[in-house]
Amino acid sequence: AQSVTQPDIHITVSEGASLELRCNYSYGATPYLFWYVQSPGQGLQLLLKYFSGDTLVQGIKGFEAEFKRSQSSFNLRKPSVHWSDAAEYFCAVGAGGDYKLSFGAGTTVTVRA
Amino acid sequence: SAVISQKPSRDICQRGTSLTIQCQVDSQVTMMFWYRQQPGQSLTLIATANQGSEATYESGFVIDKFPISRPNLTFSTLTVSNMSPEDSSIYLCSVGLGTYEQYFGPGTRLTVT
Repeated sequence: AQSVTQPDIHITVSEGASLELRCNYSYGATPYLFWYVQSPGQGLQLLLKYFSGDTLVQGIKGFEAEFKRSQSSFNLRKPSVHWSDAAEYFCAVGAGGDYKLSFGAGTTVTVRA
Repeated sequence: SAVISQKPSRDICQRGTSLTIQCQVDSQVTMMFWYRQQPGQSLTLIATANQGSEATYESGFVIDKFPISRPNLTFSTLTVSNMSPEDSSIYLCSVGLGTYEQYFGPGTRLTVT
C-alpha cells in the first residue's frame, strides 16, 4: 500500500539554526512530491515540488528539498530558520494517475529565540 | 497557482444542524477536492469534485453526510449534514492544476456543540 511517513512529530530549533524535516514514501514508481506549510489558523501553502529532473529543488521562503530515489526520501531543509517558520509542515505524495495526494502526519516546528 | 476563498471562515453550530461551506476559485479549474483536518491531525480527503460529474467519495465518507455540489468551474460547496461534535474539524477545499499540484483555500473551522 502507498504510504507517506514523517518520522518526526515535533522539532524544536533555535532561530538562525538549520532545519531538516524528513519524509519517506512507499510507492511503486517515482511519485510526484510536495512540501506544504500550514501556519496556525491558516490553510496549506505549497513550499516546493518535485516531478523529475534535478533532485535538489528550491522553493519559497528559502526552503529546499532533495529527492533521493535510493532512500525513497524527500527531505526538506532550510539553512537558517526565522521565528516565522514556526508552523506545521506536511509532506505529500501523488501517484497512480488519479491526481489525489496522500499526506504525511505532519511535523510541528517550534522556533525558540 | 490559484487564489481560493472559503466561506465561512469559522462557525459554531449545534448538533443535528447542517452547514454549507463555499469554495470559490479565481480561475476555471476542472479538479476540486474537499479535505477534513481533525484537531491536531493531518488531512483526510473527503471527495473529489470534478465539474460535470458526480463527486467521488473516499472510503468512510458518504454523500448523505457530505453532499457536494459543483455547478461550474470556479465554485463548489460541501455540506456537513446532521452534525455531531465528532464533525468538529477544519474543512479545506483545494484545486488541482494537473500533475498532482494542488492549491488550498484558507479552510473553514467548524465547532459543533
